[in-house]
Amino acid sequence: AQSVTQPDIHITVSEGASLELRCNYSYGATPYLFWYVQSPGQGLQLLLKYFSGDTLVQGIKGFEAEFKRSQSSFNLRKPSVHWSDAAEYFCAVGAGYGGATNKLIFGTGTLLAVQP
Amino acid sequence: EAGVAQSPRYKIIEKRQSVAFWCNPISGHATLYWYQQILGQGPKLLIQFQNNGVVDDSQLPKDRFSAERLKGVDSTLKIQPAKLEDSAVYLCASSWGRDTNTEAFFGQGTRLTVV
Repeated sequence: AQSVTQPDIHITVSEGASLELRCNYSYGATPYLFWYVQSPGQGLQLLLKYFSGDTLVQGIKGFEAEFKRSQSSFNLRKPSVHWSDAAEYFCAVGAGYGGATNKLIFGTGTLLAVQP
Repeated sequence: EAGVAQSPRYKIIEKRQSVAFWCNPISGHATLYWYQQILGQGPKLLIQFQNNGVVDDSQLPKDRFSAERLKGVDSTLKIQPAKLEDSAVYLCASSWGRDTNTEAFFGQGTRLTVV
């Protein structure tokens, strides 16, 4: 069964420091992978997605993620964190491509706090 | 372009009462999803519509939850009777297609508290 694991429940970084959020997936075929961000009281906003091709994917707000098939990972990175990046981040895998459903299976999320 | 609209934003009910949530997807989006997000967890798909037909409702607790999308546009999700464990944020999302490579756009959600 498909699943997504985000091992870090909560991370605190200083403003200006680099960031890496971990994501591991379990999926039988080539996965479609996503990172979403959720600010308090808001819906989910897509940061970036990986379908195929270049394993380093650029997203919005200066985020990037690297797909590593050998490690079943899709970690999210940002070289310099801004206070406005404080939010909850969700990794997701798209299930059922080409089939009857394209639902997203989400991880449990990582809550990012940014220290001044 | 208007986003996905949901109402109400917040709802507090007592257990065993009924409640309904409304969603208006982005214009032209054929696929509509309802997700349940319990505190501390990631969203979980409850039901997916393609136009007005159900594509996936495998995780919908059908003894108490129902959803409809009669004209292939707006959708309502109903819970009757509600239980304490139904306390969650209910997210509606829409996409123009149902392939996984089409982006799903999410509404702000309805936060339900069952007391």
